[in-house]
Amino acid sequence: SAVISQKPSRDICQRGTSLTIQCQVDSQVTMMFWYRQQPGQSLTLIATANQGSEATYESGFVIDKFPISRPNLTFSTLTVSNMSPEDSSIYLCSVVPSGRPTGELFFGEGSRLTVL
Amino acid sequence: AQRVTQPEKLLSVFKGAPVELKCNYSYSGSPELFWYVQYSRQRLQLLLRHISRESIKGFTADLNKGETSFHLKKPFAQEEDSAMYYCALPFLSGGYNKLIFGAGTRLAVHP
Repeated sequence: SAVISQKPSRDICQRGTSLTIQCQVDSQVTMMFWYRQQPGQSLTLIATANQGSEATYESGFVIDKFPISRPNLTFSTLTVSNMSPEDSSIYLCSVVPSGRPTGELFFGEGSRLTVL
Repeated sequence: AQRVTQPEKLLSVFKGAPVELKCNYSYSGSPELFWYVQYSRQRLQLLLRHISRESIKGFTADLNKGETSFHLKKPFAQEEDSAMYYCALPFLSGGYNKLIFGAGTRLAVHP
């Protein structure tokens, strides 16, 4: 298994500002993902965080809006840039521990973002 | 295109009643499906995967390729089963493995 810590757990932000969410895992993992869960909705994959290279973004998500870093195998950040109220969501870090199949994700507790 | 459909947003049953949470998928190939669960104030976690063919907390799910379904079943619901349930499908795209989720079904078990 993997223990995932996300910071901040929640924040209230002003329109136009940016916020960086951190994800720390207690063990090396093969894959790290960032998901968004808008109010009352399911999880939508934002991007795959690649260690040492640029993240792979899903349709509808771009690097300028959601820059992602993954400097090593246990840490990643997601920045939500130039925020608007539509960005109010729960942002989830998830990982696939080494040796586990792709579909077995472990999730952080999420970062609940409210944009005013 | 790959897709996971959970047609019911809410399923409300009484304790002891059978439960079936529906999941249909669209996938060209041999799928590997999962059920995830999120209890109140807890993080999302894996409930079961079809390959393991195991029963977790009394829940089972059978992959039916003819009907492209992976419904989650439990013969006798308990109040502690109340949660959000998500069906999920991993697939390879652009050289990367991804997991997509259905819209989720909220199960409410009443005493």
